[in-house]
Amino acid sequence: ELKVEQNPLFLSMQEGKNYTIYCNYSTTSDRLYWYRQDPGKSLESLFVLLSNGAVKQEGRLMASLDTKARLSTLHITAAVHDLSATYFCAVDIGDSNYQLIWGAGTKLIIKP
Amino acid sequence: NAGVTQTPKFQVLKTGQSMTLQCAQDMNHEYMSWYRQDPGMGLRLIHYSVGAGITDQGEVPNGYNVSRSTTEDFPLRLLSAAPSQTSVYFCASSRGQRAFFGQGTRLTVV
Repeated sequence: ELKVEQNPLFLSMQEGKNYTIYCNYSTTSDRLYWYRQDPGKSLESLFVLLSNGAVKQEGRLMASLDTKARLSTLHITAAVHDLSATYFCAVDIGDSNYQLIWGAGTKLIIKP
Repeated sequence: NAGVTQTPKFQVLKTGQSMTLQCAQDMNHEYMSWYRQDPGMGLRLIHYSVGAGITDQGEVPNGYNVSRSTTEDFPLRLLSAAPSQTSVYFCASSRGQRAFFGQGTRLTVV
């Protein structure tokens, strides 16, 4: 059975601190995505990681993919309150984003 | 840009009732999918379509039907609603490297 496991599931941190969210998966897929969801809202695409060693950065967020370890990380640098949200990783078991298997999400709260 | 439009946004059903959740996209995407999101869980794939006339089952298809008669529309049908189908439903369309999600339908079955 394909599993996508995120940890931690809940993270409360102070502004200005750094932290990393981990996403482990059990399939051989090399396509992994990170999404953000605000409460009561839809999902917003953050990063698309399509090969081993891929690294993408946007502002204070950086995502990486190690397909050999079946591990992706989402690193937050100098967190700010606006980054408070739930972050999901999703593995593509198809070939064009229509068969995504999702982690349970990491609820991130950043306190001023 | 409308993107992916889901209707209704909220719905309450009685057990045993049937209904259709509508999903339309205006981006001419080949691929469309339906997911459900339950508290504390990630999304789970219900059904997907790789083009008009072609659909297939995802992780949790039981109790749901889909059809894809046009590229734009991908409705999800609940045949006989059950309390276990209380959830938030998201429709997505995709092409290539990105999936675009609708705003969701919050369904409660009582």
